[in-house]
Amino acid sequence: DVKVTQSSRYLVKRTGEKVFLECVQDMDHENMFWYRQDPGLGLRLIYFSYDVKMKEKGDIPEGYSVSREKKERFSLILESASTNQTSMYLCASRGLAGFTGELFFGEGSRLTVL
Amino acid sequence: AQRVTQPEKLLSVFKGAPVELKCNYSYSGSPELFWYVQYSRQRLQLLLRHISRESIKGFTADLNKGETSFHLKKPFAQEEDSAMYYCALITQGGSEKLVFGKGTKLTVNP
Repeated sequence: DVKVTQSSRYLVKRTGEKVFLECVQDMDHENMFWYRQDPGLGLRLIYFSYDVKMKEKGDIPEGYSVSREKKERFSLILESASTNQTSMYLCASRGLAGFTGELFFGEGSRLTVL
Repeated sequence: AQRVTQPEKLLSVFKGAPVELKCNYSYSGSPELFWYVQYSRQRLQLLLRHISRESIKGFTADLNKGETSFHLKKPFAQEEDSAMYYCALITQGGSEKLVFGKGTKLTVNP
């Protein structure tokens, strides 16, 4: 089974702090994604990476950056957290070979910014 | 623009009743559509994809190009079907990404 692991399930941070959300997958997948999940707004794509050191902005990249130094790890960075970034963050991955539309998701990281 | 619309935020039915979760899409060409499900305290996972024409956990979804719809149906809802359901499509052009609808929370009452 594909395993996507997000290192922190719950975080509480203060406004202005730098926040790192880590995601690791164990299936040698090329593509990795960060989504934000909010009630009534669904899943919105923040950034995705199609290979090591390659990244592309999603629909809501403002206030976020990402890092992909190794194939298995994709980090989401909030340079200066703000209260409107309080949300559930979902990481996902997929392989390129015969892509069938299936993304494999992590359990999520619930971030609260005070 | 490539877009997925789920018009119902909340849907409540009784156990044994039929259920239909609506999904409409905006897309030029032949879309690839999916339903994802998230049960309470579990991770989001793929439920079914239209190209497979499969039935998963009693759910089916038929692509209707004329109405640009991909509604999810089950003839007899069960309490364990209570979950958040998202419709999604693969974008065209450039990197393939999944675009999700805003989701429908289904509650099946005993």
